[in-house]
Amino acid sequence: DAGVTQSPTHLIKTRGQHVTLRCSPISGHKSVSWYQQVLGQGPQFIFQYYEKEERGRGNFPDRFSARQFPNYSSELNVNALLLGDSALYLCASSLDSRDYGYTFGSGTRLTVV
Amino acid sequence: GENVEQHPSTLSVQEGDSAVIKCTYSDSASNYFPWYKQELGKGPQLIIDIRSNVGEKKDQRIAVTLNKTAKHFSLHITETQPEDSAVYFCAASIQSGGSYIPTFGRGTSLIVHP
Repeated sequence: DAGVTQSPTHLIKTRGQHVTLRCSPISGHKSVSWYQQVLGQGPQFIFQYYEKEERGRGNFPDRFSARQFPNYSSELNVNALLLGDSALYLCASSLDSRDYGYTFGSGTRLTVV
Repeated sequence: GENVEQHPSTLSVQEGDSAVIKCTYSDSASNYFPWYKQELGKGPQLIIDIRSNVGEKKDQRIAVTLNKTAKHFSLHITETQPEDSAVYFCAASIQSGGSYIPTFGRGTSLIVHP
């Protein structure tokens, strides 16, 4: 079975642009969570979705938004990119929002120049 | 919200030695403590976890201990091997509104020298 897949793997954007990152969960998993990992730090929670509904939101500005589709895949959108948004963006899936069994994807490396 | 502190940030050991990574958490309501290993170019992978009703858990060469009173927990790796070299993250979580959302420490870069 395929694990959590994220696309693209790498991305370079210019300040002020918009970016969309995509995540496909493990088959059967209905919850997706997004994390931002700045170099040298631990993952920081951005959003959690379950059954297309937002179940949690971290301390990130409104420039960050996400959604989950009927097939449980998810998109993370970031508007008006700043240099500080450069990071590894991780997606994790689980059976449901209360499941401890997080499985992470390999992430999307976003560089803002 | 929850705050997790992790030490040391870097740990260098010789193959065969033991390695210990320590974490503290702030919210006494946290009841689940996973440890993740992140290799270069990959996402974090769960290696062991412990719940608040257990003081110690062991899985082959790795073990985790939890002291709820002091609000700290530790990862112990014995007989380290070069393939143990990676960044290790501790995390603590509370179920909030029915959701599991772990808070991560800053990570420990473990280097095992052959």
